[in-house]
Amino acid sequence: NAGVTQTPKFQVLKTGQSMTLQCAQDMNHNSMYWYRQDPGMGLRLIYYSASEGTTDKGEVPNGYNVSRLNKREFSLRLESAAPSQTSVYFCASSSGTGSSYEQYFGPGTRLTVT
Amino acid sequence: GQQVMQIPQYQHVQEGEDFTTYCNSSTTLSNIQWYKQRPGGHPVFLIQLVKSGEVKKQKRLTFQFGEAKKNSSLHITATQTTDVGTYFCAGRGGATNKLIFGTGTLLAVQP
Repeated sequence: NAGVTQTPKFQVLKTGQSMTLQCAQDMNHNSMYWYRQDPGMGLRLIYYSASEGTTDKGEVPNGYNVSRLNKREFSLRLESAAPSQTSVYFCASSSGTGSSYEQYFGPGTRLTVT
Repeated sequence: GQQVMQIPQYQHVQEGEDFTTYCNSSTTLSNIQWYKQRPGGHPVFLIQLVKSGEVKKQKRLTFQFGEAKKNSSLHITATQTTDVGTYFCAGRGGATNKLIFGTGTLLAVQP
């Protein structure tokens, strides 16, 4: 099992460009998440999908959109990248969204916006 | 909104010394999870605490959940170089019941 995979691993964008970060999990998990990690800020939830067909905003959703393509895949789109979106992006998944579910993280995408 | 703070932000120890990181929430938590992130890596789940006053051990690591379920700690006895990384707590509670990650404590261990 690959667990949670993310593509690309690294990306450099110019301000105003768009891109989609891809995430897939092979653990048959219901819930998937997108986080961003900035120095000193911990992990902040951007969007999550409790189950296939549903998505909800997290703590910092502005400037992002998501698509839960199927149970395995959850993508994050930046429509018009800004330097403030320079960050490391992690996708995660869990069996459910209840209080007892641990999250499994992908390797991350390091994004720089110039 | 709910906030989860960790102290210290950074700790540098000599190999063999003990280490503790503290996690404090602005609201009562239903549970708390701890994750470890190696440099350049991704967070990996360590443990979950659910009950008030709960204490769990994993080899040299001891995790505690406060009686009021608003704070938690992770203590490492006799640190090793393999303990290097950032330790995050993550608490679930408040109106949204979403998992909120703490700011993390970066542990450096000098051999």
